[in-house]
Amino acid sequence: QVQLEESGGAWVKPGGSLRLSCAASGFTFSDYYVSWIRQAPGKGLEWISYISSSSSTIYYADSVKGRFTISRDNAKNSLFLQMNSLRAEDTALYFCAGEPVVQGGLHVWGRGTTVTVSS
Amino acid sequence: SYELTQPPSVSVGLGQTARITCGGSNIGGKNVYWYQQKPGQAPVLVIYKDSKRPSGIPERFSGSNSGNTATLTITRVQAGDDLDYYCQVWDSKSYVVFGGGTRLTVL
Repeated sequence: QVQLEESGGAWVKPGGSLRLSCAASGFTFSDYYVSWIRQAPGKGLEWISYISSSSSTIYYADSVKGRFTISRDNAKNSLFLQMNSLRAEDTALYFCAGEPVVQGGLHVWGRGTTVTVSS
Repeated sequence: SYELTQPPSVSVGLGQTARITCGGSNIGGKNVYWYQQKPGQAPVLVIYKDSKRPSGIPERFSGSNSGNTATLTITRVQAGDDLDYYCQVWDSKSYVVFGGGTRLTVL
């Protein structure tokens, strides 16, 4: 069964840090590009970061550049998002999603993990 | 930055045809992806590369893309299609771009 599962979401105070993880199973993780996407309560989807299959290419949205760091470990079928200097506006449901290298489009999504930034 | 514009809401009668648009500058030159999302759940890809359907997606879902507008068409609309829909493209400067989303209401 093709699956992504996020973890690590929590409540954190402004200025704090958090590390999200995303575990892949049921498919060859190294054959996928992967992104983090978030959705604030009642809002639309916002892409925040992308990493290529070999980690050679990484992109960030302007809203998180310099604060968030994406990484992956293909040997452990895992994706990570290190989140520093968190702000109230980072409060959201965070999804990891995978795009097959040969196909295009985010075919595989996790269920999401909730990050709440509040004092 | 590249922007995609979707109507916030579209209404359609049960059994009729729904068309949800996604506007962007020369979007016809890009691959467009469409996602369906139930409240509180992860999105599901329903159309990729303008008009291709992933396995398991009904033939009632189709896509087209030309000029400055891409369109998701849902024929024989069912009550279960009453959900949110997002378009998405890849842009060389903005990378992964989502539209603002459209709430489809089935009357």
